[in-house]
Amino acid sequence: GDSVTQMEGPVTLSEEACLTINCTYTATGYPSLFWYVQYPGEGLQLLLKATKADDKGSNKGFEATYRKETTSFHLEKGSVQVSDSAVYFCALSDYGGATNKLIFGTGTLLAVQP
Amino acid sequence: GAVVSQHPSRVICKSGTSVKIECRSLDFQATTMFWYRQFPKQSLMLMATSNEGSKATYEQGVEKDKFLINHASLTLSTLTVTSAHPEDSSFYICSALTGQNEKLFFGSGTQLSVL
Repeated sequence: GDSVTQMEGPVTLSEEACLTINCTYTATGYPSLFWYVQYPGEGLQLLLKATKADDKGSNKGFEATYRKETTSFHLEKGSVQVSDSAVYFCALSDYGGATNKLIFGTGTLLAVQP
Repeated sequence: GAVVSQHPSRVICKSGTSVKIECRSLDFQATTMFWYRQFPKQSLMLMATSNEGSKATYEQGVEKDKFLINHASLTLSTLTVTSAHPEDSSFYICSALTGQNEKLFFGSGTQLSVL
């Protein structure tokens, strides 16, 4: 079945460092791909998404490109801030982009130190 | 923006007791809510889909008689873990789907520890 694999954390970076969190997926169809972020004490929030191959999702300085050839959707940011410390979840939906049937990865904890 | 409130955030209970977790959509009506759980170092997994006024739809491998879901109003869904055992210890998260533009909003989760 469909699945999402993302790198294990925690990832610890200094402020202004570059971030990459790897995410790869397995799907039978043409899924939509998502990154969600969970800040401490809050619910998951949609960070960005891409609905077809070569699409790039971006938000708050984060980017991820839908790579069909490598079945990947890596999350990147050029310069992280302390406020980016959170858990990041990669997810896919194989239902035309509908968010009601999301398949998540394990989540990656990012800790940014000043 | 839309807010989903989930309570309690943390609960510790004895084996054999039942635990109820509430999920409320605070500023919108949610005809559909979802319940997930995440065991340590595993993926966040969908347990069930809850539709207001009808029976919940459970994912394969989730016991419907153990995880009772009630969605009696458009703003409230509850998950009751009946006769909880240590293996039910997990992080439970709810989410709610808005009706108009089908956006999904998540609660902050409940960490259940069964002793």
